[in-house]
Amino acid sequence: AQKVTQAQTEISVVEKEDVTLDCVYETRDTTYYLFWYKQPPSGELVFLIRRNSFDEQNEISGRYSWNFQKSTSSFNFTITASQVVDSAVYFCALLPRRDSNYQLIWGAGTKLIIKP
Amino acid sequence: GAVVSQHPSRVICKSGTSVKIECRSLDFQATTMFWYRQFPKKSLMLMATSNEGSKATYEQGVEKDKFLINHASLTLSTLTVTSAHPEDSSFYICSARSPGTQETQYFGPGTRLLVL
Repeated sequence: AQKVTQAQTEISVVEKEDVTLDCVYETRDTTYYLFWYKQPPSGELVFLIRRNSFDEQNEISGRYSWNFQKSTSSFNFTITASQVVDSAVYFCALLPRRDSNYQLIWGAGTKLIIKP
Repeated sequence: GAVVSQHPSRVICKSGTSVKIECRSLDFQATTMFWYRQFPKKSLMLMATSNEGSKATYEQGVEKDKFLINHASLTLSTLTVTSAHPEDSSFYICSARSPGTQETQYFGPGTRLLVL
């Protein structure tokens, strides 16, 4: 089965706290891509990161960091020192390489609320 | 990053009319475009995949005669909701990809359709 699970439906934290959004995936493919997208209240999906299955290096971009662990099939996303502007729904997605139609498999999304 | 535009951003129409939504890749040629529908507080539901110059591939349960998709060029795809009914009211989002975007789909800002 090919599946993405974002078990956290909603997370609420106070500004400046660190927060981690979990993403667990299932795929039979050995080559695949993982993505994170942000959807603010305006609705537009903003691409945050793409990770190739062969690249397990963690990545940091400013306050954002991603922890990719193939051993646990997880690709978690951490926001450090959260800000109100980080409030959004965050989606994790999987692209199995064998899928020639390039169709993404989406998680259900995690709604992140950052309180001032 | 790659930019995708979508027009209109919001449309209100009467039941029985047809509505056309345009999706354009502004700074790259999109070999594949996708149309999604998103219900409130839900994840994205893929409606169809279209490759330039060929017929769209519709997902199971999506009526191809109701949701007409035309991918006429490498930078333009259109979705026409024919004979719209209130149940067609939703948020429609397009995305585009190309070999140059390294398997990443870039999304338009979405169209909110309200059918009265």
